[in-house]
Amino acid sequence: QKEVEQNSGPLSVPEGAIASLNCTYSDRGSQSFFWYRQYSGKSPELIMSIYSNGDKEDGRFTAQLNKASQYVSLLIRDSQPSDSATYLCAVTGMDTGRRALTFGSGTRLQVQP
Amino acid sequence: GAVVSQHPSRVICKSGTSVKIECRSLDFQATTMFWYRQFPKQSLMLMATSNEGSKATYEQGVEKDKFLINHASLTLSTLTVTSAHPEDSSFYICSARYRRGGSSEAFFGQGTRLTVV
Repeated sequence: QKEVEQNSGPLSVPEGAIASLNCTYSDRGSQSFFWYRQYSGKSPELIMSIYSNGDKEDGRFTAQLNKASQYVSLLIRDSQPSDSATYLCAVTGMDTGRRALTFGSGTRLQVQP
Repeated sequence: GAVVSQHPSRVICKSGTSVKIECRSLDFQATTMFWYRQFPKQSLMLMATSNEGSKATYEQGVEKDKFLINHASLTLSTLTVTSAHPEDSSFYICSARYRRGGSSEAFFGQGTRLTVV
């Protein structure tokens, strides 16, 4: 079983719709959760971080965390073609920053104009 | 967010030569940096953890004599691909975690596209 699992997609949504990206993780000790966006040929860029159960909103993005279910999701409202990219879920335990994040394999999102 | 700068962004080298890639944290000190490799349409693969002032920690299956890592200062880590071969052609990305309050987010360099001919 992979430590962080994501559906590879592609997830195709029409422009203006809500895109829902999901991620599950196996380590119950995970404390920090991140969503990264990676355009083709580019390096990942941080979109959201979430550390406690519930929802966290930032603009069109909402991250949701449920530690009991070991589940984290990312909602993108009013999806735009420019949101088309691969979205990577990453987790880590409580640490001092000396450990690498554990990444999922990513979900490719396609927003259709 | 914090800024991590990686250089060069692209490099083409001949088989058998060595290539050095630099990773700098521009506005924070990074005692630890991470090196990843990514093949087309695949996810990030952690190669090694670079620790300032000490030896790097390599992931299983990564040859430490081939991928030399030096982390001589709190803002600079280098990855040298020695005796490069075409199968080493890949996208190499460095990362550093920026500690802010009780959390530490990871920021990535721009990546280096290595092509070995």
